[in-house]
Order: sequence, then C-alpha cells, then structure tokens
Amino acid sequence: KQEVTQIPAALSVPEGENLVLNCSFTDSAIYNLQWFRQDPGKGLTSLLLIQSSQREQTSGRLNASLDKSSGRSTLYIAASQPGDSATYLCAVRPPLHQAGTALIFGKGTTLSVSS
Amino acid sequence: EAGVTQSPTHLIKTRGQQATLRCSPISGHTSVYWYQQALGLGLQFLLWYDEGEERNRGNFPPRFSGRQFPNYSSELNVNALELEDSALYLCASSLRPSGGKSNEQFFGPGTRLTVL
Repeated sequence: KQEVTQIPAALSVPEGENLVLNCSFTDSAIYNLQWFRQDPGKGLTSLLLIQSSQREQTSGRLNASLDKSSGRSTLYIAASQPGDSATYLCAVRPPLHQAGTALIFGKGTTLSVSS
Repeated sequence: EAGVTQSPTHLIKTRGQQATLRCSPISGHTSVYWYQQALGLGLQFLLWYDEGEERNRGNFPPRFSGRQFPNYSSELNVNALELEDSALYLCASSLRPSGGKSNEQFFGPGTRLTVL
C-alpha cells in the first residue's frame, strides 16, 4: 500500500531564505507526483506536476525534483516571501492500470515565512 | 476559463441528518474525484466518477455515496451524519485517465461540513 510522508510537519523561516520541503513515498511505481499549496480553510492550488519519466519541474521560484528509485521528491523554494506561508502537500498518483487513479496525499508541511 | 466550483461553501447539519454537496468540473473534464480532509487525518480519497459511472471508492462506509450527471457535474451525499464527518470536502476534476495525457487533477475551493 502506497504511503506518502512529508518532513518536516512545520517549518518557520525568515524572509529571503531558500528552503527545501521533503516528500517520500513507499512504492516507486507511480504515474506522477504533484505538489500543491493550501491556504487555511481553502482548496488546493497545483504548483508543479512531475511525470514519472521526468526528474524535475520548475515554475518561477519553485523547483521540484523526483527520484523514483529512492521514493523521494523535494520542493525547493528560493528567496522565500511572507506570501509563501501556507501548507504544502505532496501527492502521488498510482499507475493508470491500477484501479482508482486517485491521488495519495502526504499530511503536508506548514510553512511560515516571517518578514 | 472557469475552474472547479463547489456549493455550498459551508454546511451545518446535526447528527443523523443527510448532507448533499455539489461539484461542477472544468469544462471538458469527464472525471470527478471527491476527497475528505478531516482535521489531523489529511486528505483521503472518497469517490471517483467518470462518464456517469462510479469507478472507484476509498475506504469509507456506504452512507457516503454520490452520482455524476450527464453534464459531468457531481453530487456527494452523506447519510446518517456523524460528528466525525465534520471536514472539508474537496472535489477535483480531470480529463478521463488515459495513457499519454497528464490527467492533472484540478481542485475546487471545497465545502466545509460541520456536524453538530
């Protein structure tokens, strides 16, 4: 059974710092991996999606990497800003031949960036 | 282009009642997914509908049910509400899963269900 773990559960940094959020998964057979952002009480905003054949994706100050063989992904945030404060969720999608194709989520890392 | 929409935003019910939550997918998307985000439990998969059929369900009791309409919108029904059903219910939509497409899921803003 696929399990997704995110470490740390919470992180506080001063504005301007570069930071890394970690995600690990137990089964390397995945279709893709997505990073989401969630503001308190709100829905999810997709940040980056990495297909299983890809190693990384970049969008602005965000860079996500994927190492399927070791079951790990990282989300790198450069030059953090107070507006980056939110909970970041990692989710993996099983291979399409498996029933469901629903996302399996980690519990998230809550990031607080102070000015 | 409009994103995934959900209604109502908030819903307050009492134990034993029934709740109905609604979701409208992005135009062109045929798959709708329902997830529950309860405090401390993280996001858990509830149901997947595609082309009007229930394709899979997560580890939830039968009192969680739903349907998908011909226009691909969807309803989630929760019968015999219990206190632990209080959660944020998120709907997501995607193109029908098939090889060669990313089938990225796009999420709505959620419905906050409170059971008193």
